[in-house]
Amino acid sequence: GIQVEQSPPDLILQEGANSTLRCNFSDSVNNLQWFHQNPWGQLINLFYIPSGTKQNGRLSATTVATERYSLLYISSSQTTDSGVYFCAVGGNGGSQGNLIFGKGTKLSVKP
Amino acid sequence: DADVTQTPRNRITKTGKRIMLECSQTKGHDRMYWYRQDPGLGLRLIYYSFDVKDINKGEISDGYSVSRQAQAKFSLSLESAIPNQTALYFCATSGRGQGSNYGYTFGSGTRLTVV
Repeated sequence: GIQVEQSPPDLILQEGANSTLRCNFSDSVNNLQWFHQNPWGQLINLFYIPSGTKQNGRLSATTVATERYSLLYISSSQTTDSGVYFCAVGGNGGSQGNLIFGKGTKLSVKP
Repeated sequence: DADVTQTPRNRITKTGKRIMLECSQTKGHDRMYWYRQDPGLGLRLIYYSFDVKDINKGEISDGYSVSRQAQAKFSLSLESAIPNQTALYFCATSGRGQGSNYGYTFGSGTRLTVV
C-alpha cells in the first residue's frame, strides 16, 4: 500500500515564526488532505489538495503530485496552532475515498 | 449540533465484554469510516462504508465488526474487548463526486479503555 512519511516529527516555534511541514508519499494519489489535531483531540480538515496550491488565512498548502510530496506552510504562528498536523492520502480507483495517514508532525508554539 | 456525533465520548470496559461505539452524521454524506488512533502511530482504518449496502474491511479489522443502519448511522462493535484495543476511535464522513466533496469531517472521538 501507499506509504506516507511526514517531517519533521516534532517542531518547536516561537510565536510569530513561520514553518514548513512536509509530506512524502510513495505512489500516485488523487486524494490528499491535511488535518490539524488540537490538544483536545479534535481533528479539523485544513485542506483537500491532491494537486496545486491553496491558501486559507495564514495557512497554505502545495502538492506536487508528479514528485509525490506536499507542503503545509504556517505563517506568523500562534499558540493556537499547536497540535499535531496530519497528512493523509488516497490512491486511484474505487478506494479513492479511503485515506492513509502519516504519523504526523507535532507542533508546539511558545508564547 | 455537531455534523458528526460519536457516543460515548469516554468508556471504560472490562476484558471480554462486548461494546458498541456509535456514530451519526447530518452531512448527508454516503461515505463513513472508522479509524483508530494510538500514540505515535497516526490513524489507522478499521472499516469503511461507501453506502448502506457497501461495507469493507480496512487495515486493522480483526476483532471489530460494523453495522451501517442507515445512511446517517455507522456503528463499530468490539465483540470481545481486549486491552490492546485501548485507543482513541474516530468516525468520519466524506462525500463523493468531485473535488472537496472528498474532504473528511471527523467526529470528536471516543476514548476507549479496556481493563
